[in-house]
Amino acid sequence: DQQVKQNSPSLSVQEGRISILNCDYTNSMFDYFLWYKKYPAEGPTFLISISSIKDKNEDGRFTVFLNKSAKHLSLHIVPSQPGDSAVYFCAASIRNTDKLIFGTGTRLQVFP
Amino acid sequence: DTAVSQTPKYLVTQMGNDKSIKCEQNLGHDTMYWYKQDSKKFLKIMFSYNNKELIINETVPNRFSPKSPDKAHLNLHINSLELGDSAVYFCASSQQPAGSSYEQYFGPGTRLTVT
Repeated sequence: DQQVKQNSPSLSVQEGRISILNCDYTNSMFDYFLWYKKYPAEGPTFLISISSIKDKNEDGRFTVFLNKSAKHLSLHIVPSQPGDSAVYFCAASIRNTDKLIFGTGTRLQVFP
Repeated sequence: DTAVSQTPKYLVTQMGNDKSIKCEQNLGHDTMYWYKQDSKKFLKIMFSYNNKELIINETVPNRFSPKSPDKAHLNLHINSLELGDSAVYFCASSQQPAGSSYEQYFGPGTRLTVT
């Protein structure tokens, strides 16, 4: 039962352009969403998060959008840089349950 | 200055053996976790401890036994290792209750290979 889904296993984007990573979820009880970035042989690193009471959160080049009615969120990276090449995981949580449910990740490659 | 550290980074062992993975965090966090990332890249929570108390146990076989000697350490002991235990194990920590954030800080992972 995969409650958080990232249907695109990989994405390739040219440097300077926008990268859009998508995530869908099924559990309407989720009220907090996070994006993590992972380089090979390292642990996931927190990138950005959004509460279900918001529909957008921005931090520098990274913006997360949440569409609760569609149970969909996306991460926009503008402009994309080669150093952004990594695996991006979407995660969701129900407040006060102390548990994150992760998607399977999307490998982003940013080429010059 | 490593925030969450794990040892060893790689572990190769035979079926039936018992092994331990150690985790330490120097962030002063109250909650620590163990996650398993299998061959299909699913990253799934196994356990969480808050101030040395078990909070989450996600239907993990009882061959897996976490131990928290203090709130900065959460070790994972695995008895009678099986081929299916081969995976990357990540330790994480967070400051819970975290207010509006559920940010968790992850260690570098331990790649366990059971032959």
